[in-house]
Amino acid sequence: DTEVTQTPKHLVMGMTNKKSLKCEQHMGHRAMYWYKQKAKKPPELMFVYSYEKLSINESVPSRFSPECPNSSLLNLHLHALQPEDSALYLCASSRAGGNQPQHFGDGTRLSIL
Amino acid sequence: AQTVTQSQPEMSVQEAETVTLSCTYDTSENNYYLFWYKQPPSRQMILVIRQEAYKQQNATENRFSVNFQKAAKSFSLKISDSQLGDTAMYFCAFENSGYSTLTFGKGTMLLVSP
Repeated sequence: DTEVTQTPKHLVMGMTNKKSLKCEQHMGHRAMYWYKQKAKKPPELMFVYSYEKLSINESVPSRFSPECPNSSLLNLHLHALQPEDSALYLCASSRAGGNQPQHFGDGTRLSIL
Repeated sequence: AQTVTQSQPEMSVQEAETVTLSCTYDTSENNYYLFWYKQPPSRQMILVIRQEAYKQQNATENRFSVNFQKAAKSFSLKISDSQLGDTAMYFCAFENSGYSTLTFGKGTMLLVSP
């Protein structure tokens, strides 16, 4: 069973669209993460939230906008994306404090037309 | 900056056999954590095993065990009695103590055949 739930599973959007990815966990974790993963490559960290505050932004372009409305929910707002942004977007959560195992969702497969 | 190297892009093993995946890393830190994550074709990344650098004893989780050689900066994963469900991409990852940022290797695709 996936303890981290991501929706939608697939998303196709045009370069002018605005869409959002959603991630939810109910394990009481206070750290949440967004990763981008290209085919046959390792995940690349995008953002880290700790106690609902953004703690790490790995120089991600502003067309990606994260949001953490509460301790269980993490969103990634997308606007004016480029074809090279097509990828699998993974959400993960863990206990806060560093060095805790991360629990990953199934991901959202994003395709930019 | 830390680097993690997995020198085997692909490996194959038959069911019930044992296979070892290699991982080396480079760091100047003394306290850190090492992980092996598994990503089956269905995509969900799953933690396989975790090792704390200050612990000399090698971590073990059922059929999965590691050979942690701190001086050599080596962290290999041994899978015993391989099963078809072990087919996946395996990522070795490094994390500095107190941080929440994993540095992943490029991965090793393991195929278990009947």
